[in-house]
Amino acid sequence: EVQLVQSGAEVRKPGESLKISCKGSGHNFASFWIGWVRQMPGKGLEWMGIIDPSDSDTIYSPSFQGQVTISVDKSIGTAYLQWSSLKASDTAMYYCARLWIDPWGLGSYFDHWGQGTLVTVSS
Amino acid sequence: SYELTQPPSVSVSPGQTASITCSGEKLGYKYTCWYQQKPGQSPVLVIYQDTKRPSGIPERFSGSNSGNTATLTISGTQAMDEADYYCQAWNNTTTSVFGTGTKVTVL
Repeated sequence: EVQLVQSGAEVRKPGESLKISCKGSGHNFASFWIGWVRQMPGKGLEWMGIIDPSDSDTIYSPSFQGQVTISVDKSIGTAYLQWSSLKASDTAMYYCARLWIDPWGLGSYFDHWGQGTLVTVSS
Repeated sequence: SYELTQPPSVSVSPGQTASITCSGEKLGYKYTCWYQQKPGQSPVLVIYQDTKRPSGIPERFSGSNSGNTATLTISGTQAMDEADYYCQAWNNTTTSVFGTGTKVTVL
């Protein structure tokens, strides 16, 4: 069974750094891109970016480029999302998800999702 | 930047059909998928490649995509289908975007 298990809820102050994780199991971790999705309180889903665990190739949404860093350690099957200086507006639920890329070019989609990590930034 | 627009809410009576639209420029030329998200839960894929259902998704969920609009249809809507629904498409070959989301209420 494919599983993505995310790290627990975090509370930080503005200006602090943070790194949250997403550990995959039940599949060949290096063979599937992993994506990160933000959901601010009471709001919709926002596509942040994706990373290829095989070579760490990373693609960011323009909205999140320079705001966060996505990384991966394929040796332990874990992807990360990190901030160097948090803002109150970073308060949100963050989901990781496995990206299925159709080999025939028939689109891509997130077929498995983590349980989410709630990040609260408050002074 | 590419945008996908959905109606904020759709109301449906039990047993009736709910249709949720997702509008974007030339969306019919892209593959669209749909996710269901119930309160306090992670999203779940319900439609991919415009019309296909993943294993375990009931047949009452179907999809279509043409022109500038993709549509998720729930036939014979049940109380358990009450949730938020999001479409998703790729605006180019490397980045993607979610729709604005639709809250489906089963009255």
